[in-house]
Amino acid sequence: GAGVSQSPRYKVAKRGQDVALRCDPISGHVSLFWYQQALGQGPEFLTYFQNEAQLDKSGLPSDRFFAERPEGSVSTLKIQRTQQEDSAVYLCASSPHRTSGYKETQYFGPGTRLLVL
Amino acid sequence: AQKITQTQPGMFVQEKEAVTLDCTYDTSDPSYGLFWYKQPSSGEMIFLIYQGSYDQQNATEGRYSLNFQKARKSANLVISASQLGDSAMYFCAMREKNYGQNFVFGPGTRLSVLP
Repeated sequence: GAGVSQSPRYKVAKRGQDVALRCDPISGHVSLFWYQQALGQGPEFLTYFQNEAQLDKSGLPSDRFFAERPEGSVSTLKIQRTQQEDSAVYLCASSPHRTSGYKETQYFGPGTRLLVL
Repeated sequence: AQKITQTQPGMFVQEKEAVTLDCTYDTSDPSYGLFWYKQPSSGEMIFLIYQGSYDQQNATEGRYSLNFQKARKSANLVISASQLGDSAMYFCAMREKNYGQNFVFGPGTRLSVLP
């Protein structure tokens, strides 16, 4: 079956531009996560959705970062007025259940590689 | 404080040999899960193996096994019979029952399998 997909796979933005990154989770998956992975580092949590509700946004680095999942399926991560330090791979992951629990794995997409010049 | 530590930035192993990738973790939550992911150069995170904090036996999945030492808070990944396709970044991650839904990842270990 189809896995998690993300688009675009690569994005080059000029400093100050706004960007929107899309995530299509596995069909029927309730939980959706965004992570930021800087070059040579492990992914870091940004935000979490349960259906359309954003339950945790504690990892968003600034108010320039905004995420939504209006119909409980596709999610968009928006970065306003991009800065060079926003350059990273943005990973989306989904998992099937509402209360995922600590035992449940997450299924990751291929990521969007963002380069801010 | 780092919750997940992977002390080996890079490892080399000869094809067909076994290799151990280290992971130590820190948590006060008695209920947690430990996961290993593989990230090839294509970028996708591939789930390899899971170990729960209450599991009595070490997890195994094909050529992957997890050496879980709870008292030492370590969860090392053992890859047997290494293959060239095993060359990738490997991340250890933890999920705690009472501290949010997200994974906390370690910095990763780059494994290179030599022919």
